[in-house]
This record gives sequence, structure tokens and C-alpha cells, in this order.
Amino acid sequence: NAGVTQTPKFQVLKTGQSMTLQCAQDMNHEYMSWYRQDPGMGLRLIHYSVGAGITDQGEVPNGYNVSRSTTEDFPLRLLSAAPSQTSVYFCASSNPWTSGSYEQYFGPGTRLTVT
Amino acid sequence: RKEVEQDPGPFNVPEGATVAFNCTYSNSASQSFFWYRQDCRKEPKLLMSVYSSGNEDGRFTAQLNRASQYISLLIRDSKLSDSATYLCVVNMFSISPSKVKTSYDKVIFGPGTSLSVIP
Repeated sequence: NAGVTQTPKFQVLKTGQSMTLQCAQDMNHEYMSWYRQDPGMGLRLIHYSVGAGITDQGEVPNGYNVSRSTTEDFPLRLLSAAPSQTSVYFCASSNPWTSGSYEQYFGPGTRLTVT
Repeated sequence: RKEVEQDPGPFNVPEGATVAFNCTYSNSASQSFFWYRQDCRKEPKLLMSVYSSGNEDGRFTAQLNRASQYISLLIRDSKLSDSATYLCVVNMFSISPSKVKTSYDKVIFGPGTSLSVIP
């Protein structure tokens, strides 16, 4: 049981490039989410999903797309990278409806720099 | 106004001190509440849940006041290993008898309060 995995761990992009941050969980969790964390800002919700085929925007969705075709995977796509997207990105999952537990399990994070 | 607000910190306290963190939330529909701990450059991890009746886990005590929309965390006898950032978390999940999921369910993190315990 690997929990929540994220790839890559580090990434440097040039302005305008696109890329996908991968997130996968093997706990059959229904709820998955993406956060970005900037110094002094805490964790800000980008997008979230309550199950396969259902996604919604969080607090800071602009510049990011998500899809949830399977329960396990929740990739985050940067359409055209900008320096303002330099941040640490965390993926998290939980299973509130089936297990009754609201604990969020986090991946180790992806540190992204956009130059 | 942010949905979840915390003491800005940082808190610098000597070993053995008692320190309290405060958190307020704006949405009265919020259902469940937690404290997470985050070490430098690591992912957040659950510290404890917060209930209206209060709950204690060793040196840590968490309290919820729904009327005031206020959450607190008390750490007694601080240890060097308690140095971290403490995140207040508010969940808004719709739980119905049929467990119908909506697209409005979400988890909101506060900005965090940094604690440094000094020898």
C-alpha cells in the first residue's frame, strides 16, 4: 500500500510550457484534491474531486485543469506555465463517505519552479 | 474574509512552556474540524480531530466552539520536537443518509501558525 504518490518530485519549466503533475492513490479513496503552498499563504485549494467523473474548482483554479477518469488518478495540468505558478503542489485524498474518516492523506509534494 | 484564519505567529517558546493556537472559520455549515502538523518541506499530517466536547491526546488538547466558530489547540510542556507549523482544517462534506455526493464538498486549510520551541 503506497498511499498517495506524486510525480515528479521536482520540476523546472520555462514560461509558456505545459506539463502534467501526476497523483495516484491506492486506498480506493473517493475524495481527491490538489493544493498549492506558497510561503506565508498556507495551503490553497486548486481543484478537487468527489469521485470519478466529478471535479470542481477550489480557491485558485485559474491556469490549471484536472480530470478524474478513474478513482485512483487525479492529474493536474498546467496549461501555459507562468512564474506565478512557482510553488509546492500537494495532492491529497480521503474517504469520508465510505469510511466515515475525514483524514486527508497527502503525497510528498512536487516542487515546481517556472522561470 | 478568508474562510479559515489563524494566529499569524510565529510563536517562539522555551522548552516546557504551554502554548495555545487559535483558529476561526467563517462558514457555519462547516462540519468537522482538525489540526494538522507540517514539518519544514514535508507534507501535512493529521495531528488530531476537534470535537465540541474537547479532546485530549497526551500533551495536546483541542477544543471547538461552534457558536463562536472558533477552534483552539493547546500544547503543554513543549518539546523541541513540537517545532513545526500547525494547520487548522475545516471540512464541509455533505453527508446525507444516502451519502449523496455533491460537487460542493471541500476541505479548507488555514494559513498555519509556526511554532519554534527553543532549548
